[in-house]
Amino acid sequence: DSGVTQTPKHLITATGQRVTLRCSPRSGDLSVYWYQQSLDQGLQFLIQYYNGEERAKGNILERFSAQQFPDLHSELNLSSLELGDSALYFCASSSRWLGEQFFGPGTRLTVL
Amino acid sequence: AQKITQTQPGMFVQEKEAVTLDCTYDTSDQSYGLFWYKQPSSGEMIFLIYQGSYDEQNATEGRYSLNFQKARKSANLVISASQLGDSAMYFCAMSQREGSSNTGKLIFGQGTTLQVKP
Repeated sequence: DSGVTQTPKHLITATGQRVTLRCSPRSGDLSVYWYQQSLDQGLQFLIQYYNGEERAKGNILERFSAQQFPDLHSELNLSSLELGDSALYFCASSSRWLGEQFFGPGTRLTVL
Repeated sequence: AQKITQTQPGMFVQEKEAVTLDCTYDTSDQSYGLFWYKQPSSGEMIFLIYQGSYDEQNATEGRYSLNFQKARKSANLVISASQLGDSAMYFCAMSQREGSSNTGKLIFGQGTTLQVKP
């Protein structure tokens, strides 16, 4: 158990819908990272928050947004979903930059 | 551009033998971290081992060791005494700063599938 929690574990929805993925980092970790894993793109960095502030952005679509709350949990919002958004979405947390990142169990999103 | 290359899509190893998974990286930064993660068929990403770019000693964690050759920009994972439970996908990853900001986003290789034979 990495100490990072993600909910829900599975999500099935239809095209055009909006979903919210939730992540709670390990106790004391200020950095939260979101990654997407798909068969064609592999593992890709989406966005990072540090203590409530956006710190870095990767290949994140404009239809996607995220935030980190004062209690340090984070949410990833995916809207106007398309079939191609089906993927495994991971949240990771870290206590030091450039250091180890511990991953949550992931949310498997299926868009039908 | 930063890049991680894993040239072995799949590998087999006999139980109880050692195996080396290859990883090369490309960066112009001096400060970076190198990681290996294991992803079993259940899907979770399990952190195995970390090597900082300034660490002089190769990192070891139990049966895992990281063979860090900075000049060659390689960070191979060595698993000793393979077990059936080691069968999984293994990802090499690198973290580095982005500009002046303290971000350590990970860049991943394509992964190597390891199968341990009884």
